[in-house]
Amino acid sequence: ETGVTQTPRHLVMGMTNKKSLKCEQHLGHNAMYWYKQSAKKPLELMFVYSLEERVENNSVPSRFSPECPNSSHLFLHLHTLQPEDSALYLCASSLTTGVSSYEQYFGPGTRLTVT
Amino acid sequence: DQQVKQNSPSLSVQEGRISILNCDYTNSMFDYFLWYKKYPAEGPTFLISISSIKDKNEDGRFTVFLNKSAKHLSLHIVPSQPGDSAVYFCAATYLGGGADGLTFGKGTHLIIQP
Repeated sequence: ETGVTQTPRHLVMGMTNKKSLKCEQHLGHNAMYWYKQSAKKPLELMFVYSLEERVENNSVPSRFSPECPNSSHLFLHLHTLQPEDSALYLCASSLTTGVSSYEQYFGPGTRLTVT
Repeated sequence: DQQVKQNSPSLSVQEGRISILNCDYTNSMFDYFLWYKKYPAEGPTFLISISSIKDKNEDGRFTVFLNKSAKHLSLHIVPSQPGDSAVYFCAATYLGGGADGLTFGKGTHLIIQP
């Protein structure tokens, strides 16, 4: 596998479920990001990790819980979500944060539907 | 409040002609701008970028123009090809921005007609 991969590609979950999104990058990058894309809205930055440390949390509700066990893997743990959380969740990576973060490489996204 | 705006949700251009995609921004601290291209069922891919110290950057068929006084940038594709049909996102960031994430516009769906 090359680039940035995300699993699952599609996920349907109830509001009481707990699920996790997984992202893996094979680029040797040190920074990883979670973005959310809702219908007819721009991509919104959720979390930034640099060398496995969270460096930014953009006022994201606590029902979204990220985890970065190493620089190649990033998870987004989901629990008690709301229907309005239905969106495309994109993972991205860059060589580092700072100037190198300008060029970010994106995964294909997970299409999440909360019922 | 949207800091990066792409006011045209879609644009239709004939093959071989020039495609011009526009983007406006409101945050005067932005000093680096990027264009991403997205096909259905794929993540965005980086296309071209420009620093605020320049007003033009060219890469093959793609040229980005920056007008800092107007807080406006545009992406020119010439000649347009069928494979250029995609959604194009304008994004912006600035040094010392803290998050080091990108602020994106909503995207413009470019359709190249044969």
